Amino acid sequence: QVHLVESGGGVVQPGRSLRLSCAASGFTFSTYGMHWVRQAPGKGLEYVAVIWHDGSDKYYADSVKGRFTISRDNSKSTLYLQLNSLRAEDTAVYYCARGENFYASSGHITNALDIWGQGTMVTVSS
Amino acid sequence: DIQMTQSPSSLSASIGDRVTITCRASQNISFYLNWYQLKPGNAPKLLIHAASTLHNGVPSRFNGSGSGTDFTLTFSSLQPEDFAAYYCQQSYSNPPTFGHGTKVEIK
Repeated sequence: QVHLVESGGGVVQPGRSLRLSCAASGFTFSTYGMHWVRQAPGKGLEYVAVIWHDGSDKYYADSVKGRFTISRDNSKSTLYLQLNSLRAEDTAVYYCARGENFYASSGHITNALDIWGQGTMVTVSS
Repeated sequence: DIQMTQSPSSLSASIGDRVTITCRASQNISFYLNWYQLKPGNAPKLLIHAASTLHNGVPSRFNGSGSGTDFTLTFSSLQPEDFAAYYCQQSYSNPPTFGHGTKVEIK
């Protein structure tokens, strides 16, 4: 059974830090790109960051660039998100998700987030 | 970053209705478009990838179409379990941005 389980959320003061973890099981973690997506209360899904399967490349949303860091430990099948300089607007449920490559009949390869965790809540408040 | 615009932001419909949601990209993304369903308290669920390919186990009443900049998600006959929020996402370039979502509610 393929599973992603996030942990590490909680209540933190503005300006402080937090590290989220995402434990993967049931698939070969080291062969997949992995993503973080968040949903603020009453808002829609917002993309946060992606890391290549081998950690060789990363992309971040502008809203978190310079403050958040995505990383992974393939030996532990675990994805991380380090959240620094937290702001009230970072309050959200944070989901990790697996990026799967799909092969279209045309021969093109597309990517989609096919497995998601249940999320971990981060509340930034004084 | 590529901007994704969904419409409507919410809609009310009845069981059995045919419903269509639209998604527009700020630039040509070919068919690199995914649709997700999100219910309160649940993890998001992939419905459609590559604009029109149903993901494993997704009922055939869901249909995705479009290419370039304009895409649609259609429910041929709305079922009770379909009341949820739906998001489009482009996978053409990084970061893979989402639309703002469409909430489908019971009339």
